[in-house]
Amino acid sequence: QSALAQPASVSGSPGQSITISCTGTSSDVGGYNYVSWYQQNPGKAPKLMIHDVSNRPSGISNRFSGSKSGNTASLTISGLQAEDEADYYCSSYTSSSTWVFGGGTKLTVL
Amino acid sequence: QVQLQESGPGLVKPSQTLSLTCTVSGGSLSSGTYYWTWIRQPAGKGLEWIGRISTSGSTNYNPSLKSRVTISVDTSKNQFSLKLSSVTAADTAVYYCATYQLLLRTFGYWGQGTLVTVSS
Repeated sequence: QSALAQPASVSGSPGQSITISCTGTSSDVGGYNYVSWYQQNPGKAPKLMIHDVSNRPSGISNRFSGSKSGNTASLTISGLQAEDEADYYCSSYTSSSTWVFGGGTKLTVL
Repeated sequence: QVQLQESGPGLVKPSQTLSLTCTVSGGSLSSGTYYWTWIRQPAGKGLEWIGRISTSGSTNYNPSLKSRVTISVDTSKNQFSLKLSSVTAADTAVYYCATYQLLLRTFGYWGQGTLVTVSS
């Protein structure tokens, strides 16, 4: 199974909004609403930010939002803050009853 | 809140078998709420799903690793384990155990990760 496609890096200034895309196929992202997003800081385990395409777990800021169109899911962070600087990964359930991650996107807050 | 802790050798020789254990606290491996999962991350690279086991013992593995992977569960110890055979340097990575929460359909709880280096 191939990794979901994410941009290697994105950047934004404090207060701005950024969007990270996650492109798969009809066998994963496009076929199921089981897309999640994770934030990973250096040396730390990933942290769940979004599940089921657009649902935020308790305690996650409403500055984080998710959406999906066709085979592409997106994570949008609004009101960018310095603390948002991290790596972000998407994941999706697949038609093979497996899970696949994206290659990761490094977010830089300028 | 479920807590996970990986343990096992940090150094494995090429061609040998990598063995890791994940100890679960704050939750029961007998619970039907989760799949018990292994994920790895080579240095500077992305996450790779290795496989999962359910409370009934059914497993699913990443097709690229399927011939070398075995995940098992020991409910008496509240632990689940990973075995990866015939390792090479390409298997050097941080290995995470995690829960796949069936209701949320996501990897909700993660261990801190353990670095396994394959080298002679």
